[in-house]
Amino acid sequence: AQKVTQAQTEISVVEKEDVTLDCVYETRDTTYYLFWYKQPPSGELVFLIRRNSFDEQNEISGRYSWNFQKSTSSFNFTITASQVVDSAVYFCALTTGTGTYKYIFGTGTRLKVLA
Amino acid sequence: DTGVSQDPRHKITKRGQNVTFRCDPISEHNRLYWYRQTLGQGPEFLTYFQNEAQLEKSRLLSDRFSAERPKGSFSTLEIQRTEQGDSAMYLCASSFPDPTSYNEQFFGPGTRLTVL
Repeated sequence: AQKVTQAQTEISVVEKEDVTLDCVYETRDTTYYLFWYKQPPSGELVFLIRRNSFDEQNEISGRYSWNFQKSTSSFNFTITASQVVDSAVYFCALTTGTGTYKYIFGTGTRLKVLA
Repeated sequence: DTGVSQDPRHKITKRGQNVTFRCDPISEHNRLYWYRQTLGQGPEFLTYFQNEAQLEKSRLLSDRFSAERPKGSFSTLEIQRTEQGDSAMYLCASSFPDPTSYNEQFFGPGTRLTVL
């Protein structure tokens, strides 16, 4: 079975602090894809980053960076120098490389960035 | 490109009524997904279409739920005899099989259903 766990329910930080959101996944497939989405109060899911199971290279994109480690089945997401506009619910999602490619989402982490 | 659109954005109904939601995917996308998101939870998969064929349905999709994609373009999700437990955000997503983009799904703004 596939599963995504986001153990952090809510995180509060002060503006300009760095914050890391944790994601642990479970799958037996060797080909899979991982995503992070942001959901602001409006409700729409906004794509942030993606990674495939064959590329563990960690990257930085602007204020966003991610740490993908297959050995620990983790796909953590970091926001550097957080801003109030980063306040939202963040979801980690998993899909495999076969079948319907449906997403399995975690329960989300609510991030509050305080001014 | 106009993205994925959903209509209506909000729906308030009384228990026992039928409701229908519409999703218009990105035009060249042949895959379409419906998800349901309840308060404080992540979206959960409901059903999947490839072109006009409904290829997978979740156990969450009870007999009161039916989805169609008649010509492989827009899709509708109908809930009959709504219950208060159906109150949720219903999200539609579409994609095109492209491993280079990890089969990424593009989400619509959702339809928020409130059953009184």
